[in-house]
Amino acid sequence: SAVISQKPSRDICQRGTSLTIQCQVDSQVTMMFWYRQQPGQSLTLIATANQGSEATYESGFVIDKFPISRPNLTFSTLTVSNMSPEDSSIYLCSAGTGAYEQYFGPGTRLTVT
Amino acid sequence: GENVEQHPSTLSVQEGDSAVIKCTYSDSASNYFPWYKQELGKRPQLIIDIRSNVGEKKDQRIAVTLNKTAKHFSLHITETQPEDSAVYFCAASMGTYKYIFGTGTRLKVLA
Repeated sequence: SAVISQKPSRDICQRGTSLTIQCQVDSQVTMMFWYRQQPGQSLTLIATANQGSEATYESGFVIDKFPISRPNLTFSTLTVSNMSPEDSSIYLCSAGTGAYEQYFGPGTRLTVT
Repeated sequence: GENVEQHPSTLSVQEGDSAVIKCTYSDSASNYFPWYKQELGKRPQLIIDIRSNVGEKKDQRIAVTLNKTAKHFSLHITETQPEDSAVYFCAASMGTYKYIFGTGTRLKVLA
């Protein structure tokens, strides 16, 4: 398994601003992902963070709104841009290790006012 | 694309009883099926998984069964305890790291 940390754990932001969430893994991993989880809902994949190339976004998510960086095999960031109250959610990163297992970070609880 | 249905959405059982959660997937190419447990305010934790070349896998009080023909898989928890209370998510993957998650089951174990 992998130990994954995220910063910040929570934040309250004003609409129109941006927030960058950091995800750190304690070992090199092949795959890193970003998910969104609305309260009481399931996990929705935002994008796959690719090391050395542009992230791969899922339908309904675009790079201008959710720019992602992955400078190395242990670190990634997700920025939520030009936020609106609809962006209030929990954002989780995950790391793929071994044969297809994914392990999750603790999440970042974002509230947009 | 792949779709994963999960039932029931909520499940209440008496402590010591068994709990069963079922998921159905749509794409026959799916070959990896993990289960996650998420306690309130915590991260999802991988509790058990199964690959398509196996019909059943067991780890102490939890087990997962897979029926490839019917395209469904189930989580079984025996001798439930209050600490089993959580939301459980199933997922399906087509041999990559990309998961499609089910909608979740809120399990309540009544003492």
